[in-house]
Amino acid sequence: KQEVTQIPAALSVPEGENLVLNCSFTDSAIYNLQWFRQDPGKGLTSLLLIQSSQREQTSGRLNASLDKSSGRSTLYIAASQPGDSATYLCAVPGGTSGSRLTFGEGTQLTVNP
Amino acid sequence: GAVVSQHPSWVICKSGTSVKIECRSLDFQATTMFWYRQFPKQSLMLMATSNEGSKATYEQGVEKDKFLINHASLTLSTLTVTSAHPEDSSFYICSASRTGPETQYFGPGTRLLVL
Repeated sequence: KQEVTQIPAALSVPEGENLVLNCSFTDSAIYNLQWFRQDPGKGLTSLLLIQSSQREQTSGRLNASLDKSSGRSTLYIAASQPGDSATYLCAVPGGTSGSRLTFGEGTQLTVNP
Repeated sequence: GAVVSQHPSWVICKSGTSVKIECRSLDFQATTMFWYRQFPKQSLMLMATSNEGSKATYEQGVEKDKFLINHASLTLSTLTVTSAHPEDSSFYICSASRTGPETQYFGPGTRLLVL
């Protein structure tokens, strides 16, 4: 059974700081890995999707890396802003169709002005 | 593109009543839709997977007679919480995908409060 763990559970940083969120998964046979953002009381916004054949993906100030062999992914946020405050979730698909997503518990990020 | 909507966005009901939540893919045909539940301070837990025109597949521990899922068309899936109780109060989120192991597009969620 796939298990996804995210560290840290919560993170508070001053504005402008670079930061790294960590995600680990137990079964390395994944199709892809996805990072999401969730604002309080809201649904999920997809940030980055890394295919299993890729090592990293970049979008603006966000960079996600994937190391399948070690079962790890990191989300790097450069020059953090108060608007980045949210919960960040990583998820991997599994099951026979590869569509069933298993989510980590999330990292709650607070960026202080 | 790839917008998913949910209705209602929040609902309050009395214990023992049934509540229906709709999930719609607005600009694409979703062969598969997923229903998740999220309790406060916790992550999303998959409840069931539904394919258009067939019965939903429920995750272990999810009562299929309590959480009725209908995926009658390629753009609409409904989740009915039957005889709701306070412990069913949660944030319900649906997602939709076109085919296969592809990106899921998430709805904005429905907050259910059972009194």
